[in-house]
Amino acid sequence: DAGVIQSPRHEVTEMGQEVTLRCKPISGHNSLFWYRQTMMRGLELLIYFNNNVPIDDSGMPEDRFSAKMPNASFSTLKIQPSEPRDSAVYFCASYPQGVPTNEQFFGPGTRLTVL
Amino acid sequence: RKEVEQDPGPFNVPEGATVAFNCTYSNSASQSFFWYRQDCRKEPKLLMSVYSSGNEDGRFTAQLNRASQYISLLIRDSKLSDSATYLCVVTPKIRDTGRRALTFGSGTRLQVQP
Repeated sequence: DAGVIQSPRHEVTEMGQEVTLRCKPISGHNSLFWYRQTMMRGLELLIYFNNNVPIDDSGMPEDRFSAKMPNASFSTLKIQPSEPRDSAVYFCASYPQGVPTNEQFFGPGTRLTVL
Repeated sequence: RKEVEQDPGPFNVPEGATVAFNCTYSNSASQSFFWYRQDCRKEPKLLMSVYSSGNEDGRFTAQLNRASQYISLLIRDSKLSDSATYLCVVTPKIRDTGRRALTFGSGTRLQVQP
């Protein structure tokens, strides 16, 4: 049973380049979350979707960040242009809304380094 | 002030010790509470939910004090494998889709030593 799948697992890029992170949620989960984790700020919610619709994007740092969920099985987080301060681990998580435990299932993360 | 605050640690304890982590949250409307565990360079995973009456899962006991907006996690007879970062997590009402879901504390790092 595959969990949340993220790609790439590691990304090294140069400042100014476009970066696209990808996520496939667990089948049947209708809520999807993008988080960013750094030593300084911990784990921060960037955006989340319910049934492919963005519900809360107030955590998105600035216009350089955008996220899409074109269908129930795929989401992207794009950074354009990337900056060194974007270096972090980006996690995608999903859960079936309405489950009493409200447990989120995280993917393995994408470790992004912007030089 | 952060919404969820934790002592970052690290807590260095010997095997077999009992260790307790505390967490405070600022939003009194928070409805659900959890402890997640994160191993080094891995993703967070749910350790246990926290209920008002307190709950226990093996060597782990979680407690919630709504009046003080305080959550705790107690680990008894700690094992080397318990070494990880423990994240305190709060969330608004499950049906409240207009607000952010899951707010994480920065985590408390535990190192159990032989």
